[in-house]
Amino acid sequence: GQQVMQIPQYQHVQEGEDFTTYCNSSTTLSNIQWYKQRPGGHPVFLIQLVKSGEVKKQKRLTFQFGEAKKNSSLHITATQTTDVGTYFCAGPANTGNQFYFGTGTSLTVIP
Amino acid sequence: DSGVTQTPKHLITATGQRVTLRCSPRSGDLSVYWYQQSLDQGLQFLIQYYNGEERAKGNILERFSAQQFPDLHSELNLSSLELGDSALYFCASSVRGQAGNTIYFGEGSWLTVV
Repeated sequence: GQQVMQIPQYQHVQEGEDFTTYCNSSTTLSNIQWYKQRPGGHPVFLIQLVKSGEVKKQKRLTFQFGEAKKNSSLHITATQTTDVGTYFCAGPANTGNQFYFGTGTSLTVIP
Repeated sequence: DSGVTQTPKHLITATGQRVTLRCSPRSGDLSVYWYQQSLDQGLQFLIQYYNGEERAKGNILERFSAQQFPDLHSELNLSSLELGDSALYFCASSVRGQAGNTIYFGEGSWLTVV
């Protein structure tokens, strides 16, 4: 079945260090979305990438969509304690219209 | 506040029982999704409804069922509950049912089965 995997599963960084999470799909994705879930909270939409090789930035966050549209990454520069949470990528199913979420990367930022 | 409302926020029930989780989507959203999140697993897609009709099915157990009503609110029914059903159940909505629409999540319903 369709799978969206993320690595790493957990990441601990010192405040100020950079962080990257990678998302890999077993199939080509028409688009990919990224969500952030704070501890005890619900997933919140961050961004959507559609084009092959697309790169988008939101302040310290940089999102990339692979050329083959089977992988994506989220890079955070100079992490802050407010970046703590779990980051999920989500890609559309091959059939139907729902999104399948990746396994998530839990980020801990040590002050 | 995402605009998606879920009730109840917390629920404790015994094994073998049945519960109903309720979701009101954002105003104007026609599509409703249900996800299950356990401690050791990510967000598992259960089912999607669009304008009252089932659109897609994921890893939903036969003991679980859902429906979307004419006013677009949705209910997720969980029966013959087992300890392993303890999880956070999210409802989400989007304007349309198409992949690519932003999905807005409610705050979730915490279900504990004892």
